[in-house]
Amino acid sequence: GAVVSQHPSRVICKSGTSVKIECRSLDFQATTMFWYRQFPKQSLMLMATSNEGSKATYEQGVEKDKFLINHASLTLSTLTVTSAHPEDSSFYICSAPETSEETQYFGPGTRLLVL
Amino acid sequence: LAKTTQPISMDSYEGQEVNITCSHNNIATNDYITWYQQFPSQGPRFIIQGYKTKVTNEVASLFIPADRKSSTLSLPRVSLSDTAVYYCLVAASGNTGKLIFGQGTTLQVKP
Repeated sequence: GAVVSQHPSRVICKSGTSVKIECRSLDFQATTMFWYRQFPKQSLMLMATSNEGSKATYEQGVEKDKFLINHASLTLSTLTVTSAHPEDSSFYICSAPETSEETQYFGPGTRLLVL
Repeated sequence: LAKTTQPISMDSYEGQEVNITCSHNNIATNDYITWYQQFPSQGPRFIIQGYKTKVTNEVASLFIPADRKSSTLSLPRVSLSDTAVYYCLVAASGNTGKLIFGQGTTLQVKP
């Protein structure tokens, strides 16, 4: 099946700094990608829909100025956590629909720890 | 998006068949039912998807009654490596649109 990658797999940063997470569809194109956040022992929470060539659509309660999303190409979406704080520490996961297979593939996730 | 309800946790033993039932009373006509598996610190992995009746693949079977208000994921002869969280999702556009995850079912397979 198709593959979605994320980079980095884990990152530790200081409070107040910004962190960029990349999501790539490796062998298919994705005009839309999705970003999720998952806290320990909890389910995935949809944060936003990343749209190639246009603005991302954010879910209610997700600050668009804090979680910047850029979908610059058909295979790459980036999530930047700006001015990160310890409460932003979480597991961030992206997904990309493979429309020809009518399925959606998830990345392996990025573990963010803000000190 | 239709809400789903699953048992929070289930225990089983190696070699047994496991059935996880999901309720989705408000499923819409164009909604599909999809199940994902997630291991700790990994992204979810697609297991199976269906619209009605029964679907079977090399990993699992999915049973959907005529009213489609529930579905049952069946895992034959589970092993320790099947210990994971299983999510039932309901969404239109098959499996290519926005997905809303419920609480999932944590399956613990014991030796």
